[in-house]
Amino acid sequence: DAKTTQPPSMDCAEGRAANLPCNHSTISGNEYVYWYRQIHSQGPQYIIHGLKNNETNEMASLIITEDRKSSTLILPHATLRDTAVYYCIVRVDAGSGYSTLTFGKGTMLLVSP
Amino acid sequence: EAQVTQNPRYLITVTGKKLTVTCSQNMNHEYMSWYRQDPGLGLRQIYYSMNVEVTDKGDVPEGYKVSRKEKRNFPLILESPSPNQTSLYFCASSSRGWSNQPQHFGDGTRLSIL
Repeated sequence: DAKTTQPPSMDCAEGRAANLPCNHSTISGNEYVYWYRQIHSQGPQYIIHGLKNNETNEMASLIITEDRKSSTLILPHATLRDTAVYYCIVRVDAGSGYSTLTFGKGTMLLVSP
Repeated sequence: EAQVTQNPRYLITVTGKKLTVTCSQNMNHEYMSWYRQDPGLGLRQIYYSMNVEVTDKGDVPEGYKVSRKEKRNFPLILESPSPNQTSLYFCASSSRGWSNQPQHFGDGTRLSIL
């Protein structure tokens, strides 16, 4: 399994960009990088995912390094409602068409006024 | 609106009294799964289902049962609940093509077993 390493917590000022790093140095060539977030005890919410190329959607941007050993989730204009635990996950392929999502401890992002 | 619906959202019950937590999705997803979340342990998978009548154990299946008689429903059954099953439970679903499809989660069910 490709493990991920994230800082336990980060702070961000409201309106500024939040850049959340993730290391996944043992990632395999066919494993995707996923980002989810969980707002206090709510169900995890999908944000974005990517394989090799940088990705952008209405919520965030995902920057994956060329060697794929790390990535950064960017929330371009953080709001108070973005305060949550952010999980970086590398999708594990169980080999039967089903893949497990293994959640680590994530990064607690606190957005302050 | 695309969603995964769990019921009940909260339940306090006693040891040994059978209970069922329902999960329903309206996205015609093939894959469904159950997780529990405990402080310091993160989200752990209990059971998953790849399609109707196909279920398999996750990381922590002991004390739980599931069934998948219809595509949209995936109930979690605790035949004889015990206090160590007190937890926050999430149901999730995903379409076929697991590796590059996101999972959609329900809002959670908080169970307290006394």
